[in-house]
Order: sequence, then structure tokens, then C-alpha cells
Amino acid sequence: DTEVTQTPKHLVMGMTNKKSLKCEQHMGHRAMYWYKQKAKKPPELMFVYSYEKLSINESVPSRFSPECPNSSLLNLHLHALQPEDSALYLCASSQGRGASNEQFFGPGTRLTVL
Amino acid sequence: AQSVTQLDSQVPVFEEAPVELRCNYSSSVSVYLFWYVQYPNQGLQLLLKYLSGSTLVKGINGFEAEFNKSQTSFHLRKPSVHISDTAEYFCAVSVTGSSASKIIFGSGTRLSIRP
Repeated sequence: DTEVTQTPKHLVMGMTNKKSLKCEQHMGHRAMYWYKQKAKKPPELMFVYSYEKLSINESVPSRFSPECPNSSLLNLHLHALQPEDSALYLCASSQGRGASNEQFFGPGTRLTVL
Repeated sequence: AQSVTQLDSQVPVFEEAPVELRCNYSSSVSVYLFWYVQYPNQGLQLLLKYLSGSTLVKGINGFEAEFNKSQTSFHLRKPSVHISDTAEYFCAVSVTGSSASKIIFGSGTRLSIRP
């Protein structure tokens, strides 16, 4: 199994809702990432988990809360989002946390905040 | 700081014509360079990567890139494009941090193929 899966594919939520995005990989990778991608822009790194520990938080607002329950799963909990948070959220994984490791990306969750 | 510049935001070409997508990087240390492709409404897929060794790197779907240290470039080429190559292409550099590495993406080049 060489893919990263993400659920749901699409999500529409109000500003008072609480929702979660899920990401899963079964490649034995020990680093996992969350990215945010706005239309016609490159992905922007949000969080990095390495060996299930949060390694990088790119100054993301607290309304985004990541969680890594085990080495195969990565969640992103959403609460009190703003319309400007609407974007494609991409999950990725890599074998290790070294710079030479390529990242494998999931198909993304397209989030719309009303 | 390491960064990547993609010089063309859009590149239109005719089907079966050759194409080159340009990428320049800045780095004071060893670099790991990547080209990713993003098809409409999909995630990113790795086309090829340069870690070390031969400066000519071959990737999937007939793409190749050449690492040029003196010109700090990593241009992507394909000798004959197809309609299915229509996509957004991102050049990227991997940066080693104290706790984990991260990828810095260029702004992207939209490749549009005309029949």
C-alpha cells in the first residue's frame, strides 16, 4: 500500500462548528504533515509530526488542532474557523524526518467555511 | 535561507512540442530538489528528485531535469508533451531543521497543452 488517504473529500462547515479531518498511511512512514493550499498557490506547511510527536508548528492559529494518535493516523481538528480558512487541506507522509525523504501526498480535503 | 523561484507562472505549448519549466534555487548548503505535479482537483505527485550523483535526473511520465550547481538551476524538461500533462508543476527544495525537515515550494507553473 503506497498511498495516503484523506477523509472526507469535501467538507462544508459553519463558523461555530467543530469538525475533524483524517489522514491515514500504511507505508510505515514516521513523519506526517499537514498543508493548507489556497487556489492557484503552492501548499503551505502547517504542522509536522515526527515519531508521533509534534515537531513543527508554523505559527498556525489555535482554531486548528493537530493530533497524531499513532504512527499511521493524523487528524486535524477544526473549531471556530473563519471563511478565509476555506482551502484544500493536504496530508503527506515521509519515511523519516530527514531532508532527503520524499513526501507522499494524499488527495486532500476541500474545506468550505460559511 | 533556502528558497525556490519558478520563473514562469504559465507555460502554454502545443501537443507533441517540447517544454522546459524553469526553476532556480538559492542555498548555501547541500540541496535536495524535487519536482511535484498536481493535476486538477488532486494532491501532489512526485515527478523526480535530485539528492546527489548524476546531474541528469529522469522521472515518471517522460520528464527529466538537470541539476546545474553553477547556475543554481533545476529545470524540468519533456521532449514531447501530451494533453494529459496539463497540470500545475511545483519545484521544491527540502530544508533540514533542528527537529524535522520541511519542503519549501516554488510558486508553481501552470502547463497548458493546446491540441
